[in-house]
Amino acid sequence: GAGVSQSPSNKVTEKGKDVELRCDPISGHTALYWYRQSLGQGLEFLIYFQGNSAPDKSGLPSDRFSAERTGGSVSTLTIQRTQQEDSAVYLCASSPQRGLAALSSYNEQFFGPGTRLTVL
Amino acid sequence: SQKIEQNSEALNIQEGKTATLTCNYTNYSPAYLQWYRQDPGRGPVFLLLIRENEKEKRKERLKVTFDTTLKQSLFHITASQPADSATYLCALLLSGGYNKLIFGAGTRLAVHP
Repeated sequence: GAGVSQSPSNKVTEKGKDVELRCDPISGHTALYWYRQSLGQGLEFLIYFQGNSAPDKSGLPSDRFSAERTGGSVSTLTIQRTQQEDSAVYLCASSPQRGLAALSSYNEQFFGPGTRLTVL
Repeated sequence: SQKIEQNSEALNIQEGKTATLTCNYTNYSPAYLQWYRQDPGRGPVFLLLIRENEKEKRKERLKVTFDTTLKQSLFHITASQPADSATYLCALLLSGGYNKLIFGAGTRLAVHP
């Protein structure tokens, strides 16, 4: 079946430009996450969407970063006025968000292949 | 401060041996700990989850232990194969109703024939 897809796979932009990164989660998954991974670093949490609840934006590094999730499905991460330090791989993940009762893969996250962003 | 530490140096082992990777954390109270595998140019793939009240979990050649007193998880791959070569990430799911995972930086494993 289809997994999480992200587009574009690579994006090169000039400092100061805005970029939009897209994530298509697995159909039926209610939770969607954005992460950033810099070279040799762990995944840095950015934002989390769960159903119709207000998103958890606590990981966004500055007000240049924003994200939307339309219709509970596709999500777009927007970075305004990009800086060189924004260069990283941006990963999206979705999760079926089952209840605590039981399943061994509770909150297993399914990741997309990522978008490699390079800001020149 | 809160930290998750995985050995940043690559682990090189011979095919057929057991690989053991370590994940240590401080100042977290995780409800769950997960291990993911990440290959170059790809997103992480979930492998195993272990709950705070579980000591050990197994899946085929994989074994995970979780010691909440030591604040440590060990990840073992027995009878390792070159195809096991990848970066392995540990991630904590915090208790208290939060749903976000806190990831370590990962340890790269290289299994040599």
